[in-house]
Amino acid sequence: EAGVTQSPTHLIKTRGQQVTLRCSPISGHTSVYWYQQALGLGLQFLLWYDEGEERNRGNFPPRFSGRQFPNYSSELNVNALELEDSALYLCASSSLAGDLETQYFGPGTRLLVL
Amino acid sequence: GNSVTQMEGPVTLSEEAFLTINCTYTATGYPSLFWYVQYPGEGLQLLLKATKADDKGSNKGFEATYRKETTSFHLEKGSVQVSDSAVYFCALNPLSGSARQLTFGSGTQLTVLP
Repeated sequence: EAGVTQSPTHLIKTRGQQVTLRCSPISGHTSVYWYQQALGLGLQFLLWYDEGEERNRGNFPPRFSGRQFPNYSSELNVNALELEDSALYLCASSSLAGDLETQYFGPGTRLLVL
Repeated sequence: GNSVTQMEGPVTLSEEAFLTINCTYTATGYPSLFWYVQYPGEGLQLLLKATKADDKGSNKGFEATYRKETTSFHLEKGSVQVSDSAVYFCALNPLSGSARQLTFGSGTQLTVLP
């Protein structure tokens, strides 16, 4: 069974640009979560999507947004990039229906903002 | 709110030594508890989990018991190997309404020397 996949693996952008990160969940999973792992700040929750709807968001500004598609894949968009957005962005998926909502993570997208 | 407090690192052990990484949590209700491991340059891998009081999660020689009376979920392994060198994260899922995201501890860097 394929795991969670993310693309791209690495990305370099300059301040002020916009970026889109992509995530494909495990087959059968309807929930997708996005987390940011920045140096010195640990793992912080960004967004949760389930069945195409945004269910919850963390304490991040509105320039962080996303969506979930009918096939349950998801995009994370970050506008007006700032230097502190440099981080590893992790996507996780789960099934609310089973497995006690265990979240399985992808390999991440490493974003560097110059 | 929910929080996870994890033993500060880094931890350095010799091969075959006993490992304990302490984790305590604060949450309302009955969260599920998890340990994830992150190898260099990779995403998070689920190591083990427990969903109710006195449950013991185990995997690859690692164990942790859900202790509601002490709000703890300490990770243990009887004999560590060099290949166990990684960062270990304790996490909880409150499983409450719209709050299904994971709250993580700060991570503990483990280095095992041959």
